[in-house]
Amino acid sequence: NAGVTQTPKFQVLKTGQSMTLQCAQDMNHEYMSWYRQDPGMGLRLIHYSVGAGITDQGEVPNGYNVSRSTTEDFPLRLLSAAPSQTSVYFCASSYRESQPQHFGDGTRLSIL
Amino acid sequence: EDQVTQSPEALRLQEGESSSLNCSYTVSGLRGLFWYRQDPGKGPEFLFTLYSAGEEKEKERLKATLTKKESFLHITAPKPEDSATYLCAVGGGGAQKLVFGQGTRLTINP
Repeated sequence: NAGVTQTPKFQVLKTGQSMTLQCAQDMNHEYMSWYRQDPGMGLRLIHYSVGAGITDQGEVPNGYNVSRSTTEDFPLRLLSAAPSQTSVYFCASSYRESQPQHFGDGTRLSIL
Repeated sequence: EDQVTQSPEALRLQEGESSSLNCSYTVSGLRGLFWYRQDPGKGPEFLFTLYSAGEEKEKERLKATLTKKESFLHITAPKPEDSATYLCAVGGGGAQKLVFGQGTRLTINP
């Protein structure tokens, strides 16, 4: 049972480039989320989804896009990378609301 | 606005020296308080969920408690392998919208 899988683990981008961070879960969880973790800031919610075809914004959504075409996958797109988006990105999933979330091991992203 | 404050930011203990980590919160309608452990280079690992004041949960050397304003993570006779960052989060308007504290970095010296 792989749980939550994130790819890539590391990525370096130049300002203005776009890319997609992949997240997949094999637990048949309805709820999935994307967070970013910055030193001194804690984990902050970017976007979340309560099921296939349904997404909503979190605390820091600007500059990011998401879609949820299947239950298993929840990709995060950076439209035009900026240095302020340098961070560690975590994907998480849970079976239903009020259940604990399971996290992937993160994608470490640097924007030059 | 939901808020979570954890203290202390960092704590260094000797092996066997018990202590407590604090998580103070303000939330409009608590739908769960969650404790996670995070090791360097890894994602948060779920430890406990508490839903109502007075609730307690235990796992090995860890015990989590909850009041209406704060939660404590008690660590009894810790071992070096308990060294990690411990994160507290609350679910308010929809538990999927978790608000995290900044974490407490715990170091246990042998």
